Amino acid sequence: GENVEQHPSTLSVQEGDSAVIKCTYSDSASNYFPWYKQELGKRPQLIIDIRSNVGEKKDQRIAVTLNKTAKHFSLHITETQPEDSAVYFCAAIYSGSARQLTFGSGTQLTVLP
Amino acid sequence: KAGVTQTPRYLIKTRGQQVTLSCSPISGHRSVSWYQQTPGQGLQFLFEYFSETQRNKGNFPGRFSGRQFSNSRSEMNVSTLELGDSALYLCASSPETGGAWNEQFFGPGTRLTVL
Repeated sequence: GENVEQHPSTLSVQEGDSAVIKCTYSDSASNYFPWYKQELGKRPQLIIDIRSNVGEKKDQRIAVTLNKTAKHFSLHITETQPEDSAVYFCAAIYSGSARQLTFGSGTQLTVLP
Repeated sequence: KAGVTQTPRYLIKTRGQQVTLSCSPISGHRSVSWYQQTPGQGLQFLFEYFSETQRNKGNFPGRFSGRQFSNSRSEMNVSTLELGDSALYLCASSPETGGAWNEQFFGPGTRLTVL
């Protein structure tokens, strides 16, 4: 089955700096890669996603890049703010016909004021 | 539209008991997935239902089961509870449009504690 590895597990940055979280996946058939943000005690919420026919996608301060050849994708957050502090999960869909998301282990991002 | 709702929000059970959790998807969403979230294992896929049929199942023992009703509401059941079943159980609903993968919207979860 699909396996998603996520690094780093914890990340601390100064407010205003950039943060980068990286994920690798194993199944070359995976074609959808969402990123979720989960604040303490709250539900995961989608912040950005990318499909395999796109190399990069940006939404304000958040961007995601995908390298299909290397089977890795990354989340980039620029001009970080304290409210960006949360756990971030990457995920990949197992195959084209299944509806099973495989999640990475999560990254605890702390933005220091 | 109202979001995904889950009941109950918190539950305490003892080993050997069984439990039923409920999930009401966003109106119009026909796909419901269930996940188990623990500090050690992260978010793990349990199963997914669509139009009252289980389409996919994760690597969990048969003690974990689920079903979906005609109104898309879903329940999951865990029998013979073990201490390791203590977790946050999340359900997520998704629209089905054109066969492509769509965003999953998560509910607030049910926090299950097994004593």
